[in-house]
Amino acid sequence: DIQMTQSPSSLSASVGDRLTITCRASQSINSYLNWFQQKPGEAPKFLIYAASSLQSGVPSRFSGSGSGTDFTLTISCLQPEDFATYYCQQSYSTPWTFGQGTKVEIK
Amino acid sequence: EVQVVESGGGLVKPGGSLRLSCAGSGFSFSNAWMSWVRQAPGKGLEWVGRIKSKISGETTDYAAPVKGRFTISRDDSIDTLYLQMNSLETEDTGVYYCTTIALTVTTNHYYYMDVWGKGTTVTVSS
Repeated sequence: DIQMTQSPSSLSASVGDRLTITCRASQSINSYLNWFQQKPGEAPKFLIYAASSLQSGVPSRFSGSGSGTDFTLTISCLQPEDFATYYCQQSYSTPWTFGQGTKVEIK
Repeated sequence: EVQVVESGGGLVKPGGSLRLSCAGSGFSFSNAWMSWVRQAPGKGLEWVGRIKSKISGETTDYAAPVKGRFTISRDDSIDTLYLQMNSLETEDTGVYYCTTIALTVTTNHYYYMDVWGKGTTVTVSS
């Protein structure tokens, strides 16, 4: 199985900050990488597919990059509604696997 | 509006069985690949498995922890996805989400779980 490792596991940030979350795959997954956002008590929300393609309706302050084994999710100007947990997920091969999550908290 | 709605969760004893349902609406259910994802209390997301559409062979794939115990099936006549869970263990406790699986039409076929239900809670406890 492909292991997905996110870093950091948690971070504190302020509104307006630029932040980057890293996701690393245990083997090359080309660009088969998706990102999700989850707020407490809610279902996950799909953000980005194919490493860098923004889902329709997702604000442009979100962006993704990378290929092979190393990927990043960047939020260019953090907004109050962005405080949540973010997960990466590979769809290169089954079983699909998620990273452990990165919790973004208010500083 | 595209949506999926899970049902069937509840309290079950270890070793017991439970069947979850997921009703789809607002999209062509018979052409959709579907998946289940779960989340244990306070933990991260865990992919459970998926089922392809009938035209794609209706094949299934599962995560190792549930293989041989869980079965995903679908009834396209009533736009419903199922998760049959047998030999339940306390580690199966959590919220179970149903999702649609989208596929890009580019040269590379990228799959992603784009529509999620609100989830249904399964508690395995004696």
